[in-house]
Amino acid sequence: KAGVTQTPRYLIKTRGQQVTLSCSPISGHRSVSWYQQTPGQGLQFLFEYFSETQRNKGNFPGRFSGRQFSNSRSEMNVSTLELGDSALYLCASSLGDRGLAKNIQYFGAGTRLSVL
Amino acid sequence: GEDVEQSLFLSVREGDSSVINCTYTDSSSTYLYWYKQEPGAGLQLLTYIFSNMDMKQDQRLTVLLNKKDKHLSLRIADTQTGDSAIYFCAERTNSGGYQKVTFGTGTKLQVIP
Repeated sequence: KAGVTQTPRYLIKTRGQQVTLSCSPISGHRSVSWYQQTPGQGLQFLFEYFSETQRNKGNFPGRFSGRQFSNSRSEMNVSTLELGDSALYLCASSLGDRGLAKNIQYFGAGTRLSVL
Repeated sequence: GEDVEQSLFLSVREGDSSVINCTYTDSSSTYLYWYKQEPGAGLQLLTYIFSNMDMKQDQRLTVLLNKKDKHLSLRIADTQTGDSAIYFCAERTNSGGYQKVTFGTGTKLQVIP
């Protein structure tokens, strides 16, 4: 069974540009969560999508948005990039059903975004 | 609110035991997890414990949970150089009807040969 796949692995952008990151979850998983990881702030939750709907949201500005497609693949978009957006962006997938309390998250290798 | 804290750094000698500690504030946590992150990689689930358990052992890993003190620890027996990584604890809680996972700040484990 293939794991969580994130593309691209590395990205270099300049301030003011926008960027789209992609995440393909494990087959059968319907929940995709996005996290931002930086040395200073650690792992911060961005949002979670389940069955094409945003189900949970962290405390990030509206420049950060996402969507999920009918095949559960998810994209994350950041508009008007700032230097502080440089980070490792991690995607995690899980079965997502609320009744499954364990609902283990499986992580992709991440996309390393550098904003110059 | 949820807050999960860990010490930033731990250094041990190869063959010794490592103990990584974690404290959390939300008493409604259902499951607690330990993840490992190697350089340039995503997070890999190591083990998890249900909140009504005190201990879970899985080969070299032992998880201890003190729910009264909201303290979680991960003990790695016979630590190897391949165990060098950042270790994250995380708790799953119910937040507004949704389940949410909050991660700790991560502990960097350095294993000295």
